[in-house]
Amino acid sequence: QQPVQSPQAVILREGEDAVINCSSSKALYSVHWYRQKHGEAPVFLMILLKGGEQKGHDKISASFNEKKQQSSLYLTASQLSYSGTYFCGTEQRGDDKIIFGKGTRLHILP
Amino acid sequence: KAGVTQTPRYLIKTRGQQVTLSCSPISGHRSVSWYQQTPGQGLQFLFEYFSETQRNKGNFPGRFSGRQFSNSRSEMNVSTLELGDSALYLCASSAPFGSDTQYFGPGTRLTVL
Repeated sequence: QQPVQSPQAVILREGEDAVINCSSSKALYSVHWYRQKHGEAPVFLMILLKGGEQKGHDKISASFNEKKQQSSLYLTASQLSYSGTYFCGTEQRGDDKIIFGKGTRLHILP
Repeated sequence: KAGVTQTPRYLIKTRGQQVTLSCSPISGHRSVSWYQQTPGQGLQFLFEYFSETQRNKGNFPGRFSGRQFSNSRSEMNVSTLELGDSALYLCASSAPFGSDTQYFGPGTRLTVL
């Protein structure tokens, strides 16, 4: 079951904040976040394994609400380098494969 | 460590032909997953191999197949190509289990004419 990401696209000015959501209709075991720049391979950002877990590095963080079966990615004081397409990947309990959403395109303007 | 490598990087085929794509995982990684990426569809899971065995399979027709060798290198084959098979095919390797971080290769861009 492919997770649903929202919004599909967002345009921000440098320094503004953004939130990207990822929802699943199935109980989740883990949520993965990746960023892909145009013409490049997706790059791992972070993985959340426990309900309620929040992780972050630099000014990018994420939360995982196991009960609501959703995760949110927070980008604070966005930089030009944050531009790209963000994918969430979800894994269900007992299933080793990761299913990715369709992605959220983020464009940062100077 | 060297990253995930995929060959060839670009491929042009015609309808009805078949194609084989190759993926070499990061040294020590035993799990290899394949994804198809098309505009608007994101990354669609094809299959995952671990220790030469297919462990998971996505919802793709039987024309898509794969295998993994004892050195963890993996190949993906698509037979009887269709125009809709044009896509970027990405492979990702991870340590023993799929829930670990996936490291993606640069992909193979397949164009079917």
